[in-house]
Amino acid sequence: KNEVEQSPQNLTAQEGEFITINCSYSVGISALHWLQQHPGGGIVSLFMLSSGKKKHGRLIATINIQEKHSSLQITASHPRDSAVYICAVRLENYQLIWGAGTKLIIKP
Amino acid sequence: KAGVTQTPRYLIKTRGQQVTLSCSPISGHRSVSWYQQTPGQGLQFLFEYFSETQRNKGNFPGRFSGRQFSNSRSEMNVSTLELGDSALYLCASSYGTEAFFGQGTRLTVV
Repeated sequence: KNEVEQSPQNLTAQEGEFITINCSYSVGISALHWLQQHPGGGIVSLFMLSSGKKKHGRLIATINIQEKHSSLQITASHPRDSAVYICAVRLENYQLIWGAGTKLIIKP
Repeated sequence: KAGVTQTPRYLIKTRGQQVTLSCSPISGHRSVSWYQQTPGQGLQFLFEYFSETQRNKGNFPGRFSGRQFSNSRSEMNVSTLELGDSALYLCASSYGTEAFFGQGTRLTVV
């Protein structure tokens, strides 16, 4: 069993829909990252969470430390949101463990 | 503030050759981590350097090595390249728990 599990693996939605991507982990962490990767490879850090909730524009990230679960939500989704979204947890020894990613396609 | 800079962006090498990739972290960041991303394996941790010392290492063969200089710039070297080494190599610069990523170097081994 992977230490970081993301769901769904693939998600296709229509423009305007509300999107939720989930991340569960089984290890003790110091922080959790949500990252976005567009075709071409570059990775952009969206959020770093150690507790609670963060919001940036149409993106909202929450984490429940007790349940070892985090979610990334996108409101009013747009085709430019199409990307791979990756959850990564940072261990106490600073190492990052990655989820497999969620490939999101938003159709116009 | 400049971001994380990786060079080169693209590289084509032949089997058996060696390659050196470079990563310049964000100014003031002393931690640099390297990751390999392939379609089949996803993102995998290679190693992490902090203040010129390797702090963590992933499960990669000894052909993969790295180092960090006093200015925190890091290099990653792969010797005796194999076709399976074709991948996107990403570098992350960290300060505390914040991590910032470079655009990556796409290595193709032919």
